[in-house]
Amino acid sequence: DAGVIQSPRHEVTEMGQEVTLRCKPISGHNSLFWYRQTMMRGLELLIYFNNNVPIDDSGMPEDRFSAKMPNASFSTLKIQPSEPRDSAVYFCASRRGQDAGELFFGEGSRLTVL
Amino acid sequence: GENVEQHPSTLSVQEGDSAVIKCTYSDSASNYFPWYKQELGKGPQLIIDIRSNVGEKKDQRIAVTLNKTAKHFSLHITETQPEDSAVYFCAASDSWGKLQFGAGTQVVVTP
Repeated sequence: DAGVIQSPRHEVTEMGQEVTLRCKPISGHNSLFWYRQTMMRGLELLIYFNNNVPIDDSGMPEDRFSAKMPNASFSTLKIQPSEPRDSAVYFCASRRGQDAGELFFGEGSRLTVL
Repeated sequence: GENVEQHPSTLSVQEGDSAVIKCTYSDSASNYFPWYKQELGKGPQLIIDIRSNVGEKKDQRIAVTLNKTAKHFSLHITETQPEDSAVYFCAASDSWGKLQFGAGTQVVVTP
């Protein structure tokens, strides 16, 4: 099994630019999560999907952030326009089933906004 | 919403000694309590979990205890080894599966 695949692994961009982070969950998993990790705030849940439907987006910081899951094998997290305070590591994770159970994390996308 | 507090933030132990990390949670509806280990440059990985109908669970050198009345749970690592050095996160989840993580504990095992 290839695990959760995220791209890009690293991105450096300038303030105001659009950033798109991508995630391919593990095949057969029907729950997908986007987390943000910073030293100050730790691991924060941004949004999660069940069967491609957004269930809870209360963690999305503001309207500059949006996430989509057009099909079971692909999700994007978009930041437009980006700001320096968005600099963080963004993790995607997937899980089999809707009930509480093991999350499988990708290796993360490290974003730096200058 | 759920609030998870984790202590200590850093823990330095001698190889072979035990390490204990403690967490408290606020939502009595939470019923699933996993522990994740994160190595540098990687995503967190589940090492052990416990559900609210169980008080203790052990897997080789790792054990987790849960006290639902007091709303706290702990991770115990015995006979620590250098490869145990990492950041450890506790988490709590309700039946919907929404995980709230603690702030993390940096564990350093010195030879």
